[in-house]
Amino acid sequence: DTAVSQTPKYLVTQMGNDKSIKCEQNLGHDTMYWYKQDSKKFLKIMFSYNNKELIINETVPNRFSPKSPDKAHLNLHINSLELGDSAVYFCASSQGENYNSPLHFGNGTRLTVT
Amino acid sequence: GQNIDQPTEMTATEGAIVQINCTYQTSGFNGLFWYQQHAGEAPTFLSYNVLDGLEEKGRFSSFLSRSKGYSYLLLKELQMKDSASYLCAVKAGGGNKLTFGTGTQLKVEL
Repeated sequence: DTAVSQTPKYLVTQMGNDKSIKCEQNLGHDTMYWYKQDSKKFLKIMFSYNNKELIINETVPNRFSPKSPDKAHLNLHINSLELGDSAVYFCASSQGENYNSPLHFGNGTRLTVT
Repeated sequence: GQNIDQPTEMTATEGAIVQINCTYQTSGFNGLFWYQQHAGEAPTFLSYNVLDGLEEKGRFSSFLSRSKGYSYLLLKELQMKDSASYLCAVKAGGGNKLTFGTGTQLKVEL
């Protein structure tokens, strides 16, 4: 299946822990993103990579560190988790240089920090 | 920065037509997208507008007026499965950044 897939789907952890979310796309896209959707359903961009190069880095705590080993993968590592990090994290991809290229989203990772 | 506004909630009747409005303020406009998001699922792409006018795709149409910073999504022949959140998103500036509005929760009733 051609898709954006991210793992895990659910992640429950305690404050202070470090966790990672993985994302892979087999659509042949050159740009990948991480978005955070909070409890009010507001979808906010965190990072964007184009061909493994960071091109968008919004005001995100430096506890969040993205890593793109190749253009098909974009992982998100979070250090010292806090209660406010609880949200759904969506990975997405698009063909970056085409303005009309829509984002294709993964199914999301629901992170709960207790 | 960008400012994108859309109503928080709307209710409509099955079989009817509903129009969801979106207004935006931005610089370096590169297009406007509409996405649909069912509860607990990922957003899925509905439409893209970059030129003024109406784009029709089956039961869904989207309109753009760049001079007014205004778009709407028109849903015809509403079905129960259209109950979802509809997200307006603007692509602008360097890096082709896509910024989302807060979404309009549409409830379709019998």
